[in-house]
Amino acid sequence: SQQGEEDPQALSIQEGENATMNCSYKTSINNLQWYRQNSGRGLVHLILIRSNEREKHSGRLRVTLDTSKKSSSLLITASRAADTASYFCATDRTSGSRLTFGEGTQLTVNP
Amino acid sequence: DVKVTQSSRYLVKRTGEKVFLECVQDMDHENMFWYRQDPGLGLRLIYFSYDVKMKEKGDIPEGYSVSREKKERFSLILESASTNQTSMYLCATLPREEAYNEQFFGPGTRLTVL
Repeated sequence: SQQGEEDPQALSIQEGENATMNCSYKTSINNLQWYRQNSGRGLVHLILIRSNEREKHSGRLRVTLDTSKKSSSLLITASRAADTASYFCATDRTSGSRLTFGEGTQLTVNP
Repeated sequence: DVKVTQSSRYLVKRTGEKVFLECVQDMDHENMFWYRQDPGLGLRLIYFSYDVKMKEKGDIPEGYSVSREKKERFSLILESASTNQTSMYLCATLPREEAYNEQFFGPGTRLTVL
């Protein structure tokens, strides 16, 4: 079974709108991370939220974590065309260990 | 800044060839990982290494092997390439300190096996 499943699979919005992506997972985690991938490139780490945290902010990013529902959301506010990319959640079930990635959400921000 | 480089951005090989994908990092990270990325399947872990000469299987190790002779270099080897190994291959690194969990990725190698 897939640990870390994002929805929607694809999201298309206008510049200036907010974008929300969701991630669900199945087993208990140590932390959950979000990564971004521009087309054909490697992944870049965006933000990490630990299992004892409920919300975290970084610039225009806001991440929430609900361990009772085993879900997380990534909110990008005031989106820009440059935010167009794929976004992946990844769960770390043991500290400092391997990550399990979801399938990603393809975000398109139209200028 | 951490730099993770991969030997090729694009690679085309023939079925049955032995293929080497190289990953080099300059930040003295102990952990290194090889993933493959396929549409609809996300990233799947092939092999990882916690230290020089140490390796562990990931979720899909079949058809692959790895080598870590030096700390900065982690090689992925396809012993006999097959068409179902056509994919994007991503290398990543991670320092040992537990307070720092983010992985650093290379730019990827898009491999096509004909």
